[in-house]
Amino acid sequence: DTGVSQDPRHKITKRGQNVTFRCDPISEHNRLYWYRQTLGQGPEFLTYFQNEAQLEKSRLLSDRFSAERPKGSFSTLEIQRTEQGDSAMYLCASSSDRGATGELFFGEGSRLTVL
Amino acid sequence: TQLLEQSPQFLSIQEGENLTVYCNSSSVFSSLQWYRQEPGEGPVLLVTVVTGGEVKKLKRLTFQFGDARKDSSLHITAAQPGDTGLYLCAGAMETSGSRLTFGEGTQLTVNP
Repeated sequence: DTGVSQDPRHKITKRGQNVTFRCDPISEHNRLYWYRQTLGQGPEFLTYFQNEAQLEKSRLLSDRFSAERPKGSFSTLEIQRTEQGDSAMYLCASSSDRGATGELFFGEGSRLTVL
Repeated sequence: TQLLEQSPQFLSIQEGENLTVYCNSSSVFSSLQWYRQEPGEGPVLLVTVVTGGEVKKLKRLTFQFGDARKDSSLHITAAQPGDTGLYLCAGAMETSGSRLTFGEGTQLTVNP
């Protein structure tokens, strides 16, 4: 399978704990995105990398959130001191700048539940 | 304020019926995509439209991009239970780089 993979698929944690999600994009894609989606809503943009550079961050990304893509391949999204409002599906997507404008290929998501 | 407004939010129909889902905005998009998402999964790209007035067909699905590139529609002919899912439109603006902005989605249920 050469699609976007995310790990873990599900995470249940207690309020105040830190969590980290990993995303492995399609290997030839140089762009990587993180989105957050709550039940019944569309995905909301969080941040975007081109290669290892984080080029854009949403105002939704508070200082408790940090994302990295150290070698321009896989990426991690860490949430510190989790709050109940952080409960959501965290989606990773990748794209190639040689593809049609804006086409994203999504992973299956990491569902976070904060108790 | 939602940049992309989708309507209806929920749609429940019987197998064999036709339906249309709308995606509207006051902003101009350089391209617009439609995705379908099933529960517990990530969205899957259905189509990309780029040119104002463009019409694309994918089997029983017909996608249209408005002449002014501010709106789009998805029409499904003879819906089947396998069409059930969350349909999302997403637009790319020239000023937003590679970032896609998603609508809130239309939850379609096709009953056998």
